[in-house]
Amino acid sequence: QQQVKQSPQSLIVQKGGISIINCAYENTAFDYFPWYQQFPGKGPALLIAIRPDVSEKKEGRFTISFNKSAKQFSLHIMDSQPGDSATYFCAAGTSGTYKYIFGTGTRLKVLA
Amino acid sequence: DADVTQTPRNRITKTGKRIMLECSQTKGHDRMYWYRQDPGLGLQLIYYSFDVKDINKGEISDGYSVSRQAQAKFSLSLESAIPNQTALYFCATEGGASGNEQFFGPGTRLTVL
Repeated sequence: QQQVKQSPQSLIVQKGGISIINCAYENTAFDYFPWYQQFPGKGPALLIAIRPDVSEKKEGRFTISFNKSAKQFSLHIMDSQPGDSATYFCAAGTSGTYKYIFGTGTRLKVLA
Repeated sequence: DADVTQTPRNRITKTGKRIMLECSQTKGHDRMYWYRQDPGLGLQLIYYSFDVKDINKGEISDGYSVSRQAQAKFSLSLESAIPNQTALYFCATEGGASGNEQFFGPGTRLTVL
């Protein structure tokens, strides 16, 4: 019940295309859903996060869509660029616990 | 200067050896974490600390121990390293405007022969 399932494991997208990464969870106590971006040789860095009181959050080309009833959330990268090539991790946590369960990661490659 | 630093960045050691990975932060955050990253498994929580006197086990604490020497320092030890502990290790702090953003160090690549 503590797992966060992430798919796909890897993704190849043409420059200018839309990248979509999906995550699903079981624990209904989760109320914080961040996405982290990791470049090779670096630690992950927070990209965007959402709480269940909204169904969508957009920051520039990055959008999180959240479906509370389906217990799913996804990251959409619009107009994908080669510089977006990285590994993306979704995560889930519960307010006050300050602990997070991470997905297994998606390696994105954007072709020039 | 980096806000979260880890030393060493790379380490090769032998089975049975004791090894310590160190983490320092200048962000002033109370909460600190140690994660392990393996290909296909994502990030798994080893230990976390909410302040100097509050240390907690994570999902995969067996074979590891930690020490929080100060607010800014959190070390991870492998008392008797085994090849299965070969992985990338990340230290993180938590804080930021929302209070929930984790700031990761650059990682330590550990190889146990």
